[in-house]
Amino acid sequence: QVQLVQSGAEVKKPGASVKVSCKASGYTFTSYGISWVRQAPGQGLEWMGWISAYNGNTNYAQKLQGRVTMTTDTSTSTAYMELRSLRSDDTAVYYCARALRYFDWADPWGQGTLVTVSS
Amino acid sequence: QSVLTQPPSASGTPGQRVTISCSGSSSNIGSNTVNWYQQLPGTAPKLLIYSNNQRPSGVPDRFSGSKSGTSASLAISGLQSEDEADYYCAAWDDSLNGRGVFGGGTKLTVL
Repeated sequence: QVQLVQSGAEVKKPGASVKVSCKASGYTFTSYGISWVRQAPGQGLEWMGWISAYNGNTNYAQKLQGRVTMTTDTSTSTAYMELRSLRSDDTAVYYCARALRYFDWADPWGQGTLVTVSS
Repeated sequence: QSVLTQPPSASGTPGQRVTISCSGSSSNIGSNTVNWYQQLPGTAPKLLIYSNNQRPSGVPDRFSGSKSGTSASLAISGLQSEDEADYYCAAWDDSLNGRGVFGGGTKLTVL
C-alpha cells in the first residue's frame, strides 16, 4: 500500500534550521510530487509548497520563500523539507503528502513530524 | 485568517444529515476544483473528496461534495459517531504566483 513515513520530532532553538524527511513506498516515487503542509498547535492547515519527484521542480508558498527548501532523493524515494531561520511561530506539525501536480489533492499523508522551536 | 471560509463548528445527531460550507473567491474555488479532508483527533488529515465531488476508494457514499460558483459544500448523511472530526476544504488559488489554500476547518460534533 502507498505509505509515507516521516522522521521523528525535533526541538530547535530560534534561528536554527530543521530538515524533515518523508520516505515513500508502495508506488513509483518519480511519478508523483510531494506536498508539504503544516499545522500549528490548535490551528488549521497551511500549505507550504510542492516538489516534483520527477524533475525537482518546486512551488513554494510566498511567505516561506527564502527560508524553505524542498528536495528529493530518488535513489531512496525520500523527500526532504528544510526550514531555516526558525522562529517560535514555526512550531507546528509538519506533514508530507503525495500529490500528482502542485494544484492537485494530497493523498495519502505522512504521520506528521512535530517541530518545536523554543529557546 | 484563512483564504477559504468555513463555519468553525457544526453538529448533528446520529442518522442526521449535516452540511459544511466553504466560501472562496474567483481566484480559488471560482476557477479551480475543491478537495475536502477529514482529520480525526490526533491523526493526520485524510482525503475525503477530490475534484469537487469525487470519493476516493474506501470513503463511504454517505460523504458527498458539491460546488457552485465560488462556494462548495460537504454533506454527510446518516451521521455516525465516528464522523466526529475536523473537516477542511482546500483549493488552488491563482493569486500571489499561485498557492494552495485551506479553510479554517469545521469541528463536527456528533451529539
